[in-house]
Amino acid sequence: RKEVEQDPGPFNVPEGATVAFNCTYSNSASQSFFWYRQDCRKEPKLLMSVYSSGNEDGRFTAQLNRASQYISLLIRDSKLSDSATYLCVVNGSNFGNEKLTFGTGTRLTIIP
Amino acid sequence: DTEVTQTPKHLVMGMTNKKSLKCEQHMGHRAMYWYKQKAKKPPELMFVYSYEKLSINESVPSRFSPECPNSSLLNLHLHALQPEDSALYLCASSQVVTGNQPQHFGDGTRLSIL
Repeated sequence: RKEVEQDPGPFNVPEGATVAFNCTYSNSASQSFFWYRQDCRKEPKLLMSVYSSGNEDGRFTAQLNRASQYISLLIRDSKLSDSATYLCVVNGSNFGNEKLTFGTGTRLTIIP
Repeated sequence: DTEVTQTPKHLVMGMTNKKSLKCEQHMGHRAMYWYKQKAKKPPELMFVYSYEKLSINESVPSRFSPECPNSSLLNLHLHALQPEDSALYLCASSQVVTGNQPQHFGDGTRLSIL
């Protein structure tokens, strides 16, 4: 089983729709979780940290489910500019806290 | 605009060349990282520096040699690279080396080996 697993997509979603991604992680001891977005041929950019209580930033909501070992990202009222690859990132499982483990990313395209 | 700056943006080199990639941050971060990213793949960790000391080397071939001259700078020296080393090389930094700190990425150096 991979340390961090994501559905690679692609997700093709009409503008204005709501879309949700899940990401599962294998190490129950993981403590920190993040969502990054990466545009084509650009660097990853931090979208949100994911807290145990869940957190919301505008149209974006992140949730953590420790019992089932998954995190989710919900995007409401999607915009064309939301088209990107969304990377689920979890703190190190095998080598201590220094290492962040990246999922393979979920590709999202918002259709006009 | 990214707060981690990398130079050059693009680099084309032959297999016998020696070149260096540079990374700079002025956020007072004490952890810096090098990643390699191939197309349609997630970033792969190469090296971690914590307080200017090498903390993690992910079994990277010796043709890649990192250097951290001070807390703001991180270099990656390249020598005798192979065509399969062509990739996007990303530098990142975080406040300290603990998993609860998000990492901030530079916009990368796109490297092509002829």
